Amino acid sequence: DIQMTQSPSSLSASVGDRVTITCRASQSISIYLNWYQQKPGKAPNLLIYAASTLQSGVPSRFSGSGSGTDFTLTISSMQPEDFATYYCQQSYTTPTFGQGAKVEIK
Amino acid sequence: EVQLVESGGGLVQPGGSLRLSCTASGFTFSSYWMDWVRQAPGKGLVWVSRINTDGSITEYADSVKGRFTISRDNAKNTLYLQMNSLRAEDTAVFYCARGPQGGSSTWGYWGQGTLVTVSS
Repeated sequence: DIQMTQSPSSLSASVGDRVTITCRASQSISIYLNWYQQKPGKAPNLLIYAASTLQSGVPSRFSGSGSGTDFTLTISSMQPEDFATYYCQQSYTTPTFGQGAKVEIK
Repeated sequence: EVQLVESGGGLVQPGGSLRLSCTASGFTFSSYWMDWVRQAPGKGLVWVSRINTDGSITEYADSVKGRFTISRDNAKNTLYLQMNSLRAEDTAVFYCARGPQGGSSTWGYWGQGTLVTVSS
């Protein structure tokens, strides 16, 4: 299976901050990379698919980039509702997720 | 509106069995691959199993292969996960999820989840 590694695993940020989360695949996955947001007690919510395509209804402050093995999720200006855990997931082969990145309020 | 509603979770003893259901509405269920994804308490997301549109193709994570069986009833718009020989490490919230047509594991729709607790 392809291993997905996110960094950092957790971070503290303030409202208005720019936040970047990275995700590395153990082998090339082209652009078959998705990002999800999950809040406590809720199902994950798809933010970005195919590495950089914003899911319908997702605010434009979220963006994704990368290809091959290295990917990035950027939140340009943190809003109160963005404090959550973020997961990357590869859809190149048998799906696997990163371990998650928890974004907390500073 | 797409809706996925899981049911069937609960407390079961190690070695026991449980069948989860996921009832779908708001879309043509028979046209989509469906998946199960689980999340142990305080842990990350793990894909469990998937099934194609007519049930002729199924795939499983190694951790559940031989113990879990995914199936579907397109006439009832329902996805199932039969779980046998349950272990403590199967304790998790189980989500059903749907991607786009074509079978991509890019899940834009999720149910609310159902909690399975394996404990004596």
